[in-house]
Amino acid sequence: DAGITQSPRHKVTETGTPVTLRCHQTENHRYMYWYRQDPGHGLRLIHYSYGVKDTDKGEVSDGYSVSRSKTEDFLLTLESATSSQTSVYFCAISESLGQGHEQYFGPGTRLTVT
Amino acid sequence: AQSVTQLDSQVPVFEEAPVELRCNYSSSVSVYLFWYVQYPNQGLQLLLKYLSGSTLVESINGFEAEFNKSQTSFHLRKPSVHISDTAEYFCAVSDNYGGSQGNLIFGKGTKLSVKP
Repeated sequence: DAGITQSPRHKVTETGTPVTLRCHQTENHRYMYWYRQDPGHGLRLIHYSYGVKDTDKGEVSDGYSVSRSKTEDFLLTLESATSSQTSVYFCAISESLGQGHEQYFGPGTRLTVT
Repeated sequence: AQSVTQLDSQVPVFEEAPVELRCNYSSSVSVYLFWYVQYPNQGLQLLLKYLSGSTLVESINGFEAEFNKSQTSFHLRKPSVHISDTAEYFCAVSDNYGGSQGNLIFGKGTKLSVKP
């Protein structure tokens, strides 16, 4: 299994509260991704990173920000959580972008915003 | 923009029966195609992928998928399913260009439920 951990694994928070999710990898892969998974929507890309301090928006980036200060860590922040951000969040990593390279997924973080 | 359509959201099937999970994609360029599997309360794992060459690709646990360019399809099949195959299956596509166009686009998933 690829060395990817996510923390916390479960979190319940209140509307308007800031929340930060952490993804940590031990594979030294260049690319890292944050997805959210919702019933009936599959996985949707929030943000991705193609190197330290290099990030870009995905399909559903509104309300989220990311940071990557080290190769191994990719943080996802909800500045002011809303109920619509209740979801399961997955981090993924890959050696390269596209070109058929596999993405490896972490175990997920279940976030509930009340 | 690319898109992936998984035609069935749920597929119930009896153990040892064959199954086909359908996937169609839309893209005007060459693509790479993937099937991922998600077991309950876990992350996604790669099941198989098509990059080039033979249009039939196989996984180690008996699944296979065939790339059909004319029909823009990448259906997943297994001739005899087991209870342990119960999971959600996601089809995904990326093109072979760099930049953000190389990101994976996922279908909405198909839940395979294998009954004894």
